[in-house]
Amino acid sequence: AQSVTQLGSHVSVSEGALVLLRCNYSSSVPPYLFWYVQYPNQGLQLLLKYTSAATLVKGINGFEAEFKKSETSFHLTKPSAHMSDAAEYFCAVSEKDTGRRALTFGSGTRLQVQP
Amino acid sequence: NAGVTQTPKFRVLKTGQSMTLLCAQDMNHEYMYWYRQDPGMGLRLIHYSVGEGTTAKGEVPDGYNVSRLKKQNFLLGLESAAPSQTSVYFCASRRTGGLNTEAFFGQGTRLTVV
Repeated sequence: AQSVTQLGSHVSVSEGALVLLRCNYSSSVPPYLFWYVQYPNQGLQLLLKYTSAATLVKGINGFEAEFKKSETSFHLTKPSAHMSDAAEYFCAVSEKDTGRRALTFGSGTRLQVQP
Repeated sequence: NAGVTQTPKFRVLKTGQSMTLLCAQDMNHEYMYWYRQDPGMGLRLIHYSVGEGTTAKGEVPDGYNVSRLKKQNFLLGLESAAPSQTSVYFCASRRTGGLNTEAFFGQGTRLTVV
């Protein structure tokens, strides 16, 4: 079964600093990977997704992620953090071999942005 | 364009009470899901449906039941609430197609069982 692991339940950065949120996947075949963001008291919103067309994926709000097969990683980055980026971020993988086509989520990383 | 709508948004139950959470989507999606979100555990799949009239168990189904009598609605029921069911519940829907299709989420229902 596919799974994802997010390293670091909490990440704190200063405004203007680089944001790096880590996600590693476990899959014997190329996975379909997603990053979702959850702002306080809201639902999950898609940031970006990997679909094998390109290894560097650009998403909304200046975020991007790079798929690295050799490292089984799909880390999320943003060059310069804004206060509005404070939220919880989830990496997810799409199940392949089941009929339910559900997303399996990592445990999440809460991003704090310090002024 | 409402997307996925969940009702209610908040609820407090006493142990042993029952309730139903409603999820409605207006995107004509075949697949619908109920997840629960607990601190440090991400989202875990409770039940899911691959089409009208069909439901199946996910990873954490105990204590919950579901129904999907209409394609646009997916109901989650708690017959006898327990404190362990205190959580935030999210409904999601997804269209048929490739595995890269996006799942759309509701705003969540925050349930407290006392």
